[in-house]
Amino acid sequence: DQQVKQNSPSLSVQEGRISILNCDYTNSMFDYFLWYKKYPAEGPTFLISISSIKDKNEDGRFTVFLNKSAKHLSLHIVPSQPGDSAVYFCAANSAREGSNYKLTFGKGTLLTVNP
Amino acid sequence: EAQVTQNPRYLITVTGKKLTVTCSQNMNHEYMSWYRQDPGLGLRQIYYSMNVEVTDKGDVPEGYKVSRKEKRNFPLILESPSPNQTSLYFCASGLAGESTDTQYFGPGTRLTVL
Repeated sequence: DQQVKQNSPSLSVQEGRISILNCDYTNSMFDYFLWYKKYPAEGPTFLISISSIKDKNEDGRFTVFLNKSAKHLSLHIVPSQPGDSAVYFCAANSAREGSNYKLTFGKGTLLTVNP
Repeated sequence: EAQVTQNPRYLITVTGKKLTVTCSQNMNHEYMSWYRQDPGLGLRQIYYSMNVEVTDKGDVPEGYKVSRKEKRNFPLILESPSPNQTSLYFCASGLAGESTDTQYFGPGTRLTVL
């Protein structure tokens, strides 16, 4: 039973346009959500996060939106750059369940930004 | 340089031959964790450790052991590897008491079990 779902295995966008990556979750106990970025032959690196008490968090070109009622979050990248081409993982955890560190990841979405 | 190192980076072995993948961090982090990445399954947590001598199971602990005798090291042990443990493994570390966005991942170990 997959608790964090990224239903789009891949996404292709043009440089300068907006990239929107989606993530859905089923566990209502999740209260902290993260996006990680992964280049080939490297480990994932943290990109941006959001707590369940917020519905939006921005960091430069990256914005994460959280819709708790729909159990849905999305990552917006504006404008997209070729260097953003990578696999993006959505992850979640539940501090309320007593573990800040038991992360559950989605399957990932491969973003390709074309010049 | 602050980093998480894993050894070996690549390993091909045979079923049943015990192996250990080492993980070491030089950032004095309390928290360390192991993940495996498989096609179509994403990243799944195997074990994690909040501090020395404290370990907990993640989502897929079966077939693996860990130990945390020192703060900087968190080896992953496969007592009797099987082909379904062929995967890409990542170690991560972070500061306890902070949100998980401060996790730093190692470069990965690609394991093939024949």
